[in-house]
Amino acid sequence: DVKVTQSSRYLVKRTGEKVFLECVQDMDHENMFWYRQDPGLGLRLIYFSYDVKMKEKGDIPEGYSVSREKKERFSLILESASTNQTSMYLCASSRQGAESDTQYFGPGTRLTVL
Amino acid sequence: GQQLNQSPQSMFIQEGEDVSMNCTSSSIFNTWLWYKQDPGEGPVLLIALYKAGELTSNGRLTAQFGITRKDSFLNISASIPSDVGIYFCAGHNYGQNFVFGPGTRLSVLP
Repeated sequence: DVKVTQSSRYLVKRTGEKVFLECVQDMDHENMFWYRQDPGLGLRLIYFSYDVKMKEKGDIPEGYSVSREKKERFSLILESASTNQTSMYLCASSRQGAESDTQYFGPGTRLTVL
Repeated sequence: GQQLNQSPQSMFIQEGEDVSMNCTSSSIFNTWLWYKQDPGEGPVLLIALYKAGELTSNGRLTAQFGITRKDSFLNISASIPSDVGIYFCAGHNYGQNFVFGPGTRLSVLP
């Protein structure tokens, strides 16, 4: 079974803090993604990566950065957290190539910025 | 970014009833996926569809890939309380990002 894990289920941070969200997948997937999910706005893509040390901006990258130093790990960084970044953050992974059509999600991290 | 349309937005049904929901797009996709999300959890993949016209089942769930490649349908038979949650569809074309629907919220009344 594909397993995508996220380092924290719940996080509470203060405005201006630097926040790290970690995601690890154990299926040797090349592709990894970070989304945020907000009521009424659905899933929005923040950043994605198709390979180690490679990153691409998604639809809403402002205020975020990412790091992919190892194939299995994809980190989302909030350099200076703000209250409008309070959200549910979901990590996902998928294979590359012909099998890239199925995306698997982690359990999510609910981040609250005070 | 592009988003899919899902209907209904929400539905309340009696336990034991069958459920139908659909997902539509203005663009064609080569893959349709259906996920279920429980409160406070990440989406869990239910069914993946890879061919236009394909009908695939997973237990009480059946999903179809529309002939036009612009829509997909999910049916749940004989609903039970644990079917409660939000059902998302997603469309995908090779080399492009996944596109998600806003979800259908299902409530099952005992």
